[in-house]
Amino acid sequence: EPEVTQTPSHQVTQMGQEVILRCVPISNHLYFYWYRQILGQKVEFLVSFYNNEISEKSEIFDDQFSVERPDGSNFTLKIRSTKLEDSAMYFCASSALSTTSNEKLFFGSGTQLSVL
Amino acid sequence: GNSVTQMEGPVTLSEEAFLTINCTYTATGYPSLFWYVQYPGEGLQLLLKATKADDKGSNKGFEATYRKETTSFHLEKGSVQVSDSAVYFCALSDPLTGTYKYIFGTGTRLKVLA
Repeated sequence: EPEVTQTPSHQVTQMGQEVILRCVPISNHLYFYWYRQILGQKVEFLVSFYNNEISEKSEIFDDQFSVERPDGSNFTLKIRSTKLEDSAMYFCASSALSTTSNEKLFFGSGTQLSVL
Repeated sequence: GNSVTQMEGPVTLSEEAFLTINCTYTATGYPSLFWYVQYPGEGLQLLLKATKADDKGSNKGFEATYRKETTSFHLEKGSVQVSDSAVYFCALSDPLTGTYKYIFGTGTRLKVLA
């Protein structure tokens, strides 16, 4: 089965530093997402992206966050100035369609971000 | 707002034991319901889904029935194996609030002992 690939698997950074989390979605998918899971808490929706623009974002996705599809294959999440509370597992996901609520999301294995 | 509540883990079972992981939901519309599984070092994988009331999703011996009257979608397996050890996430997608904004539970870690 095709895979969503995320790099790095683990990122350690100092508070205030910028980080970029990288994802390679499945090649023919059109919709891209970031979710995150703070340890012991729920997996939370951050943002969705379609046709080179943000479709929807959650309250968590403030001005410190941005997403980009710099080329035909990568999808990145940038945190401009990391805070301690940004420490979490970040999951990238993609889907072929977004027209029905039962559309299958394909997830990557996640990037564990640790902010010190 | 929409939410998913699933039982706290970890759940530790012996091989061939019966598994139930409870999941209840709150949603404004008629959501689709999912169980995702995360094996160690891997991403979230769709295990099964149900899109309307009384639907039963099944895969790899796991089953879950969409119960609208109890707003539940409990995951069951008759005989677990060591290879089922993973974290299981219940999730919903509500067409009224967004087709891709899945709402997840906290996950339940299952450990199966040989």
